[in-house]
Amino acid sequence: GEQVEQLPSILRVQEGSSASINCTYENSASNYFPWYKQEPGENPKLIIDIRSNMERKQTQGLIVLLDKKAKRFSLHITDTQPGDSAMYFCAASDSGYNKLTFGKGTVLLVSP
Amino acid sequence: NTKITQSPRYLILGRANKSLECEQHLGHNAMYWYKQSAEKPPELMFLYNLKQLIRNETVPSRFIPECPDSSKLLLHISAVDPEDSAVYFCASSQVWGRSGNTLYFGEGSRLIVV
Repeated sequence: GEQVEQLPSILRVQEGSSASINCTYENSASNYFPWYKQEPGENPKLIIDIRSNMERKQTQGLIVLLDKKAKRFSLHITDTQPGDSAMYFCAASDSGYNKLTFGKGTVLLVSP
Repeated sequence: NTKITQSPRYLILGRANKSLECEQHLGHNAMYWYKQSAEKPPELMFLYNLKQLIRNETVPSRFIPECPDSSKLLLHISAVDPEDSAVYFCASSQVWGRSGNTLYFGEGSRLIVV
């Protein structure tokens, strides 16, 4: 199976600064890496994903980087806003059974 | 996301039997049940593709899934245990077996066992 480690577990930043969350995975066959944002009492929502044929992807203030050699991927939120405060989960999926393995999550707190 | 509907949204149970229901209006072939306990990530319980049970993680036998058609998923729970208190998310993806399928979650059913 796959194991995904996610750090940090809690991240506090000031509004307007950037925030970075890092994940590592074990299975070299994993080739799909989504990021989910979950607000309290809500369902997880996909915010950005990256496939193994890419090293970088950017959309609306979010950047994901993938280093396949190091088996590491990361989410960078630029110009954070209080509305970015939430739990963020990284995940990795193997190519066979389409099972997503989630990291333990990062609570992002953006203070005004 | 109102395209995956779950019912009931909240459920408070003693040691009784109950069923959770899910319906997706996305035309997806694969449907899933995930369990999310407090402060933890979602954990896969069951995966169906085109009504066939494909994946059955280590789940107590008191949880029995049912997929009457490719857009509906049920989770029957008998004699619930306090450790079953969690949010149960239904999810779906377009196909199974092809990497890179986006997984969409329903709004969840919060089960509280008293």
